[in-house]
Amino acid sequence: GENVEQHPSTLSVQEGDSAVIKCTYSDSASNYFPWYKQELGKRPQLIIDIRSNVGEKKDQRIAVTLNKTAKHFSLHITETQPEDSAVYFCAASHNSGYALNFGKGTSLLVTP
Amino acid sequence: SAVISQKPSRDICQRGTSLTIQCQVDSQVTMMFWYRQQPGQSLTLIATANQGSEATYESGFVIDKFPISRPNLTFSTLTVSNMSPEDSSIYLCSVDGTSGGATDTQYFGPGTRLTVL
Repeated sequence: GENVEQHPSTLSVQEGDSAVIKCTYSDSASNYFPWYKQELGKRPQLIIDIRSNVGEKKDQRIAVTLNKTAKHFSLHITETQPEDSAVYFCAASHNSGYALNFGKGTSLLVTP
Repeated sequence: SAVISQKPSRDICQRGTSLTIQCQVDSQVTMMFWYRQQPGQSLTLIATANQGSEATYESGFVIDKFPISRPNLTFSTLTVSNMSPEDSSIYLCSVDGTSGGATDTQYFGPGTRLTVL
């Protein structure tokens, strides 16, 4: 089955700096890669996603890049703010079932 | 996206008992899933709740322990049976938010925090 690895497990940045979280996947049939943000005690919230026919996608301060050949994808957050502090999860799935396989998560702390 | 609710939001149960968690969506959806999130951990898929047929379970999860119902396109239940302290987790349902055919974009309910003593 699909195995999704996520790094780093924790990340601390100063407000205004950029943060990058990286994930690799094992199943070459995977074609959908969402990122979720989970604040303490809250549900995971979808923040951005990318499909295998696209190499990069941006939404304001958030971007995701995908390298299908290397089987890795990354989340980039620019101009970080304290409210970006949360646990971020990457995931991967493919059309045959739609189930998401999650990485272990990255705890991001943005300090003022 | 669809509005998803879960009941109960939290519960404390005695070992050996069972708890049924409900997931209600405000619109019809094609796909519904149940996940478990153990304290401080990632999300693990338990099963896909299929409307009108038996759920599809992931490796390590069995129907006798986690029976699932999905009577229609807006509702599903997950029962955690014969509970032990190891079942203490957050249980989340997710939906794909559409009724016109399955998609892989998933939205999560608020979760049910279960503590087993």
